[in-house]
Amino acid sequence: DAKTTQPPSMDCAEGRAANLPCNHSTISGNEYVYWYRQIHSQGPQYIIHGLKNNETNEMASLIITEDRKSSTLILPHATLRDTAVYYCIVSMNRDDKIIFGKGTRLHILP
Amino acid sequence: GAVVSQHPSWVICKSGTSVKIECRSLDFQATTMFWYRQFPKQSLMLMATSNEGSKATYEQGVEKDKFLINHASLTLSTLTVTSAHPEDSSFYICSAPGGQKSEAFFGQGTRLTVV
Repeated sequence: DAKTTQPPSMDCAEGRAANLPCNHSTISGNEYVYWYRQIHSQGPQYIIHGLKNNETNEMASLIITEDRKSSTLILPHATLRDTAVYYCIVSMNRDDKIIFGKGTRLHILP
Repeated sequence: GAVVSQHPSWVICKSGTSVKIECRSLDFQATTMFWYRQFPKQSLMLMATSNEGSKATYEQGVEKDKFLINHASLTLSTLTVTSAHPEDSSFYICSAPGGQKSEAFFGQGTRLTVV
């Protein structure tokens, strides 16, 4: 079973920041938080990952709470192309099999 | 960057026939690859772990005789859906840990329609 809980869907206005929450209250000390997204009829795409520090790359920022029981993915300026299902994954390393939960379906509104 | 290529992107076949789907790591070696299946409006479901040089490991409830997996080299894994039936129609996706990268990479997916 997936170790994460995410809201099933969210809306965000184009140009605004999209904040996607994820609960992972049973995460263990050596597990990372990964985020992937899946645009319709494509394979998932990696976004970002982190262990305990906040992370930022060209796509997004990842904020992990101090107790590591939850995190938030931030897309700073959402565009229509960000419409996708976003998956929050907990994994020890990239070699682990990935068990997907239901994810959050993000709708970007023009 | 690391790329996983999956072929074909879509296929239509008749009931009772077999279909082979290929998954290649283009610029890195993958001793392990994963195969997923996704039905409409559902999440990806892990079917099996493909291991180079050894037998695949199947998830509970996945028929190993129906979904044949071969990982013949460090860059190629194949999934063969044998004696396909309409209920096997689905989106099949492969993935591989990405070489020196910290994340996994996914193929483009194969949409199988059995008529």
